[in-house]
Amino acid sequence: IAGITQVPTSQILAAGRRMTLRCTQDMRHNAMYWYRQDLGLGLRLIHYSNTAGTTGKGEVPDGYSVSRANTDDFPLTLASAVPSQTSVYFCASSEGTGDGYTFGSGTRLTVV
Amino acid sequence: GQNIDQPTEMTATEGAIVQINCTYQTSGFNGLFWYQQHAGEAPTFLSYNVLDGLEEKGRFSSFLSRSKGYSYLLLKELQMKDSASYLCAVLDSNYQLIWGAGTKLIIKP
Repeated sequence: IAGITQVPTSQILAAGRRMTLRCTQDMRHNAMYWYRQDLGLGLRLIHYSNTAGTTGKGEVPDGYSVSRANTDDFPLTLASAVPSQTSVYFCASSEGTGDGYTFGSGTRLTVV
Repeated sequence: GQNIDQPTEMTATEGAIVQINCTYQTSGFNGLFWYQQHAGEAPTFLSYNVLDGLEEKGRFSSFLSRSKGYSYLLLKELQMKDSASYLCAVLDSNYQLIWGAGTKLIIKP
């Protein structure tokens, strides 16, 4: 089934630890995105990539890094997790300009 | 700054009609999306408007007025499964989606 796979689906992480959230799509979409969703704040863009080999910062990039070595994969890394990074993280992709986004099922991350 | 406003929560009765409003102020406009998100799940695409007017898709319709910076999502013949959050999002001049905080719709029998 075509779509986006996020791994893990949930994780409890000790503060200070490093963590990589994985995102893989099989739709050959050029653009990929990482969002966090917190109650009452809606979806906030962390980082994005318009095409393989390029990345950009979104609204809330601090504490996070991404890479886009190929079209399919777009991992999000927390170098040293803090409790304020407790959130639900969604990866999304689109074909490019003017198209809707397809979302992964999300990763629920708790930093303690 | 960029801003999208929609009501936090709405309640409606099964079988009735509900209209969810969205107003926006963004740097540029390349279309407006509505997404549905059930609790604990990912957002799913409902509609896309780039020209003024009404787009109808089954029980759901979406309206856009670019001059007023306004859109609404109309849900008819409400069903219990329509209980969800509805997210309004605008594609800005950089083709980035700017999201509203979402409207939680509660359907009562």
